Amino acid sequence: DVKVTQSSRYLVKRTGEKVFLECVQDMDHENMFWYRQDPGLGLRLIYFSYDVKMKEKGDIPEGYSVSREKKERFSLILESASTNQTSMYLCASSPPPLNEQYFGPGTRLTVT
Amino acid sequence: GIQVEQSPPDLILQEGANSTLRCNFSDSVNNLQWFHQNPWGQLINLFYIPSGTKQNGRLSATTVATERYSLLYISSSQTTDSGVYFCAVENSGGSNYKLTFGKGTLLTVNP
Repeated sequence: DVKVTQSSRYLVKRTGEKVFLECVQDMDHENMFWYRQDPGLGLRLIYFSYDVKMKEKGDIPEGYSVSREKKERFSLILESASTNQTSMYLCASSPPPLNEQYFGPGTRLTVT
Repeated sequence: GIQVEQSPPDLILQEGANSTLRCNFSDSVNNLQWFHQNPWGQLINLFYIPSGTKQNGRLSATTVATERYSLLYISSSQTTDSGVYFCAVENSGGSNYKLTFGKGTLLTVNP
């Protein structure tokens, strides 16, 4: 079974803090993704990585950066957290070329 | 970009009933997936089905790619089937393997 894990289920941070969200997958997948889910807006892609040290911006990259130093780990970084980044963050991984995506349990981030 | 529409937005059933959820999409797709989001927020994979028909227990799905729709069937529903069902597609002409999600169908199964 594919397993995607995320470092925290719930996280509360203050405005201006630097926040790291970690995602690890155990299936040797090349592709990894970060989405955020908001009521009324659905799921939106923040960043995508197709290989170690490779990344592409998704639909809403502003205010975020990512790091992929090892194949199994993909980190989402909020350089200076803001209240509008309060959201559910979902990580996914997939093997090319079929791109069947598998999701982690999600991190509910609250920025106060 | 590609548009994904799911219907109905809400569905209430009695336990044991059958249901059909629909997903329409506006362009050709490489990938179509159905997910169930559980009460804790995790997206559970139901089907990877860019075309054809698949079955898994009480659930089955059919995608008619040429007509740009997919159907998810739930038979003999149980209370544990409650939750939000999402259809997500990868546009053939798109880049970066992005999945575009529909807004979901909220299913409530009453005992």
